Amino acid sequence: QQQVRQSPQSLTVWEGGTTVLTCSYEDSTFNYFPWYQQFPGEGPALLISILSVSDKKEDGRFTTFFNKREKKLSLHIIDSQPGDSATYFCAASEMNAGAKLTFGGGTRLTVRP
Amino acid sequence: AQTIHQWPVAEIKAVGSPLSLGCTIKGKSSPNLYWYWQATGGTLQQLFYSITVGQVESVVQLNLSASRPKDDQFILSTEKLLLSHSGFYLCAWSRRDGYEQYFGPGTRLTVL
Repeated sequence: QQQVRQSPQSLTVWEGGTTVLTCSYEDSTFNYFPWYQQFPGEGPALLISILSVSDKKEDGRFTTFFNKREKKLSLHIIDSQPGDSATYFCAASEMNAGAKLTFGGGTRLTVRP
Repeated sequence: AQTIHQWPVAEIKAVGSPLSLGCTIKGKSSPNLYWYWQATGGTLQQLFYSITVGQVESVVQLNLSASRPKDDQFILSTEKLLLSHSGFYLCAWSRRDGYEQYFGPGTRLTVL
């Protein structure tokens, strides 16, 4: 059972453009939603996260939006750069220490100069 | 600052052989520790987690086992590797009272 669905699987944008990645989830107990960025051969790095009590969080060029009613979240990257080319994962869990983190399938982003 | 080290960086092993992968966290007292598996080009799947020395909870059974012999050390092992064990193994940590997880550099395992 895939509890966190992510789309698209891959995406190519031009340098300077805006990237939009989306995720949906099923489990209503999820209340913590991180996004991870992973470069080939490396471990994922925590990029930005949002709690279910918020609907938007911004960090530089990265913004994540959360819609509790629709059980959806998104990641927006403005002014996309070639260095942003990586695989992005959304994830979800309850806000408990040791809680299982469930990952989406990932989006492979390519930013062309 | 916290540092997380995984060893070995990469391993090539034969089917049926034993395996031991390690993870060490420095600079953080009593962290929660996690093991994940990632197939090539795939997503991450949590395997085990531990909130204290000597205690490990299994999330997914993949004919693997884990142990936490020290506060800052997490070990993943099996006595008999399968082809399906190939992939990228990642260790992660969070604060004792926290839920944000931070990943290590990973170990690439190839089973032939």
